[in-house]
Amino acid sequence: AQKVTQAQTEISVVEKEDVTLDCVYETRDTTYYLFWYKQPPSGELVFLIRRNSFDEQNEISGRYSWNFQKSTSSFNFTITASQVVDSAVYFCALSIIQGAQKLVFGQGTRLTINP
Amino acid sequence: DTGVSQNPRHKITKRGQNVTFRCDPISEHNRLYWYRQTLGQGPEFLTYFQNEAQLEKSRLLSDRFSAERPKGSFSTLEIQRTEQGDSAMYLCASSFPAGLNTGELFFGEGSRLTVL
Repeated sequence: AQKVTQAQTEISVVEKEDVTLDCVYETRDTTYYLFWYKQPPSGELVFLIRRNSFDEQNEISGRYSWNFQKSTSSFNFTITASQVVDSAVYFCALSIIQGAQKLVFGQGTRLTINP
Repeated sequence: DTGVSQNPRHKITKRGQNVTFRCDPISEHNRLYWYRQTLGQGPEFLTYFQNEAQLEKSRLLSDRFSAERPKGSFSTLEIQRTEQGDSAMYLCASSFPAGLNTGELFFGEGSRLTVL
C-alpha cells in the first residue's frame, strides 16, 4: 500500500520569505510518480509537477523548486520569495505507474502568505 | 472552457434523499476518476473508468454509491439514501489514454455535498 505524509498542517509566513513544504512517502513499488497539486479556495486541484521515480534530478520552475530524494523517500517543495497569491492548500501525491493513475494524497499543507 | 466540468457545484439535501452529480471530462481523455475529499483531508480515490468500463472501485464506495459512464464521455455519480457522513467534496478528474499518459490528472472544481 502507498502512503503520503505531509507533517505540516499549516504554515504561515510573511510575503517574500522562502518556504518549504515537506512530503514523505511510502511505497513498495519500484516505479511510481510523485506529484504536487495546489488547491486554491475555488476547490480545483491545479497540477504543479510530476516526478518519475527513475529521475532524481531536482527541478526549478520560476519561484518553485522541488527536491526529490529517494534515500529518504522525500519530495519537498520550496517556494522562493513567496507571494500572497501562493496562499492555498498544497497536496503531495503518489501513484504507481502501471494501470490506473490512482493518486494517493497526503493530508495537505495550508499555506498562508501574509502581506 | 475545455477543462473538466462538474455540476452542480453545490448541493444541500436532507438525509435519506438521493443525489446525482455529473462530470464532463476533457474530450480527448478516455480515463475518468471520481475522488472524495472531506474537510481538512486530501482527496481519496473512489472509482475509475476507461471509456465506458468501470475498471476499479474503492472500498469507500458503498452499495449506496453508483457511478456510470454510459457512452464513455460524461459520467454520473449517484448517492442513494444519503447520510450525514456523505457530506464532502466530490471531485472528478480525467486523463489521457495509456501511451499518451503522463500520469497527470486534470481535476474539475468539484461538487460540494451537504447532507442535513
